[in-house]
Amino acid sequence: DTGVSQDPRHKITKRGQNVTFRCDPISEHNRLYWYRQTLGQGPEFLTYFQNEAQLEKSRLLSDRFSAERPKGSFSTLEIQRTEQGDSAMYLCASSFAGQNTGELFFGEGSRLTVL
Amino acid sequence: KNQVEQSPQSLIILEGKNCTLQCNYTVSPFSNLRWYKQDTGRGPVSLTIMTFSENTKSNGRYTATLDADTKQSSLHITASQLSDSASYICVVSGYNTDKLIFGTGTRLQVFP
Repeated sequence: DTGVSQDPRHKITKRGQNVTFRCDPISEHNRLYWYRQTLGQGPEFLTYFQNEAQLEKSRLLSDRFSAERPKGSFSTLEIQRTEQGDSAMYLCASSFAGQNTGELFFGEGSRLTVL
Repeated sequence: KNQVEQSPQSLIILEGKNCTLQCNYTVSPFSNLRWYKQDTGRGPVSLTIMTFSENTKSNGRYTATLDADTKQSSLHITASQLSDSASYICVVSGYNTDKLIFGTGTRLQVFP
């Protein structure tokens, strides 16, 4: 499968624990995006990378959240000291972008439940 | 403020019927508008992308229209099938920006 893959698909954790999600984009894509989606809402932008550079972070991304894309390929999103309000679907997307955002391909998401 | 509003919030139709979903936006300057289909618990899948110069674009039974003057788009689904049950999300991109503005989606349910 050559699409965007995310791991794990589901994660249940207790409040206060740290969690990490991984995203493997489509191999030739230079841009990688992280979004958060809660039930009945559209995806909310968290951050994005062009190659290994993190170009923008949303104000939604508190200092408990950190994302990396060390070699410009896969990316990780870590949430420290999880809170119940962090429960959501975390979506990763990738694109090949020139001047503007290219067509976005989404992964299947990582659903986080914080108890 | 750049916004994307979709209507209706939810819609129920019978299998075989047609339906139209609406998207209004205030993003300016405008670059392109996308429609995505999102099945429950899955990631969104692209249906169409339209630039400001395109008025209509089809993808099988899905036809999207765009009026850049009135900042409105619609997604028309013909001869609906049970598998069309999903959320349909309208996404707008501004010109020379990397930011995508997402609507909250229309939840479509198709019943037999």
